[in-house]
Amino acid sequence: DSGVTQTPKHLITATGQRVTLRCSPRSGDLSVYWYQQSLDQGLQFLIQYYNGEERAKGNILERFSAQQFPDLHSELNLSSLELGDSALYFCASSVMGNSNNEQFFGPGTRLTVL
Amino acid sequence: GQQLNQSPQSMFIQEGEDVSMNCTSSSIFNTWLWYKQDPGEGPVLLIALYKAGELTSNGRLTAQFGITRKDSFLNISASIPSDVGIYFCAGRNTGTASKLTFGTGTRLQVTL
Repeated sequence: DSGVTQTPKHLITATGQRVTLRCSPRSGDLSVYWYQQSLDQGLQFLIQYYNGEERAKGNILERFSAQQFPDLHSELNLSSLELGDSALYFCASSVMGNSNNEQFFGPGTRLTVL
Repeated sequence: GQQLNQSPQSMFIQEGEDVSMNCTSSSIFNTWLWYKQDPGEGPVLLIALYKAGELTSNGRLTAQFGITRKDSFLNISASIPSDVGIYFCAGRNTGTASKLTFGTGTRLQVTL
């Protein structure tokens, strides 16, 4: 158990809908990262937050957004869902937001868009 | 998005055998990491490497940070059934952001 929690574990929804994925980092970690894992693209970095502020952006679509709250939990919002958004979404956390602070991953949320 | 090249893509080995896999990149990284992912779970950190040429062990696992900073290697000695899973390398550069760039993965399957 990494100490990172994610809810829900599974999510099934329809095209065009909007969903929210939630992540709670390890106790003491200030930085949260979101990754998407799909069969064709592998594990891809989406976005990073550090202590409530956006720190870095990766291959995140404009239909997706995230935030980190004062209690340091984070939410990833996915809107206007398409079939291709079906994937595993992982949250990871680290103590700080820079180098030599390794990332520990949560169990993931499996999103299925029908 | 960018993915690092891992080889082999998959491998079957017998219990007790040693395993080698590698990861290559077209660009330099300052840190190399190796993760293992079991079905339905998130990646678990196995080994972190911070210096070119560094050789680090974690039990039966040994990893090396390539001299060119564009590659890394992972060896597993005396494999056991619980070694089954997908192994990912990941590269990271220092700076204000610490996003990971992951490899394509090596699927390890062990036969008894």
